[in-house]
Amino acid sequence: AQSVTQLGSHVSVSEGALVLLRCNYSSSVPPYLFWYVQYPNQGLQLLLKYTSAATLVKGINGFEAEFKKSETSFHLTKPSAHMSDAAEYFCAVNGGTSYGKLTFGQGTILTVHP
Amino acid sequence: DSGVTQTPKHLITATGQRVTLRCSPRSGDLSVYWYQQSLDQGLQFLIQYYNGEERAKGNILERFSAQQFPDLHSELNLSSLELGDSALYFCASSYSGGESGELFFGEGSRLTVL
Repeated sequence: AQSVTQLGSHVSVSEGALVLLRCNYSSSVPPYLFWYVQYPNQGLQLLLKYTSAATLVKGINGFEAEFKKSETSFHLTKPSAHMSDAAEYFCAVNGGTSYGKLTFGQGTILTVHP
Repeated sequence: DSGVTQTPKHLITATGQRVTLRCSPRSGDLSVYWYQQSLDQGLQFLIQYYNGEERAKGNILERFSAQQFPDLHSELNLSSLELGDSALYFCASSYSGGESGELFFGEGSRLTVL
């Protein structure tokens, strides 16, 4: 069984500040981990993914995430927030035989203030 | 634009009714996934089809059914609708069976049951 916990349903930062969105996972098999972003009135878009290669993963729009097995974490960061980063972010995990059966966290809404 | 098309975008209906949601995957994609997004349950995996065959099943109610047709489009049928079925229903697609975890999501069909 797999699960994902995103700490903080809302995160607010100032433009130019560091963005940190937290994700912890639970998986009985080596996990594949993902971050998706959902802009208002749109579907989800893949930001980045970890599939057991490098533990530091770089994604689109300047985001990156680090897989830490000892902490069962996969936190998403961006050094400098931009107004266009305002969206809802979802951490997800899959593994085992049902690869398409992504288990999503509850989501974190990121607000960016000018 | 992800290339995944969902219709209708909005649907309002009454309890006890039946509706059909349609999804056209990206050109060339063989897998179609259905997800339900609601405020209380978050994003829940419903079902996956791969090249016309059911591949994985999630928390899909018996009142719900889906199929993938030879042209690879998919339909999700929801019957005996209840108030709690009100949600945003996403379709996603991928070329393979989902091993990469990169799913391409449509913009969703928002169902309101009154």
